[in-house]
Amino acid sequence: QSALTQPASVSGSPGQSITISCTGTISYVRGYNRVSWYQQHPGKAPILLIYDLTKRPSGVSDRFSGSKSGNTASLTISGLQAADEADYYCISFTGSSTPYFFGGGTHLTVL
Amino acid sequence: QVQLVQSGAEAKVPGASVKFSCKASGYALTSYFMHWVRQGPGQGLEWMGAVYPAGETSYAQKFQGRVTMTRDTSTTTVYMELRSLTSEDTAVYFCAREGPGSGSSYAFDYWGQGALVTVSP
Repeated sequence: QSALTQPASVSGSPGQSITISCTGTISYVRGYNRVSWYQQHPGKAPILLIYDLTKRPSGVSDRFSGSKSGNTASLTISGLQAADEADYYCISFTGSSTPYFFGGGTHLTVL
Repeated sequence: QVQLVQSGAEAKVPGASVKFSCKASGYALTSYFMHWVRQGPGQGLEWMGAVYPAGETSYAQKFQGRVTMTRDTSTTTVYMELRSLTSEDTAVYFCAREGPGSGSSYAFDYWGQGALVTVSP
């Protein structure tokens, strides 16, 4: 069982905004700002979208944004596009003997 | 440009070992952590371990004693060997660079293309 909980699926229509949550079962998210988000299309490697909760790597669209409230981190995608249909994963650094935990993933459907 | 190119798919029988390679180019291998992450069929991602910039390794407790990660700085290649395979190890295995900055960045900014190992009798 993952230590980070994500909804199994979310959906939205083109142009809308959606938010995917990532809740830490322990204080992984609350105690650190080391949460990152990834997009994965079928059969492809993940792509880094957000790191350190809110930072975007060079080249990532500003339609992707990150935030945190308490022990829940969130990824918001605005102006949904068909190409956004994919799986999304959060990862948190834990500072423990297993330093990284992944969320279970959320499938985004663009209606 | 940064590239991570992995070796190809493997088919193994239970009890065998598999060793994947990950050829890094476009950056200084010894300045970055390199991680290995796997993904079972239709499943999520799982962290397996990492090679540190100075060469030390750290492994997830689940794989302790069964996994070895090494690197060859002369060929800028990182390796991951997993032993005593079972059907539960059938998965796609990714190498991933920790970034975007060098040292500890706590995210994975470049990924290999992945390599499938299928374990069956």
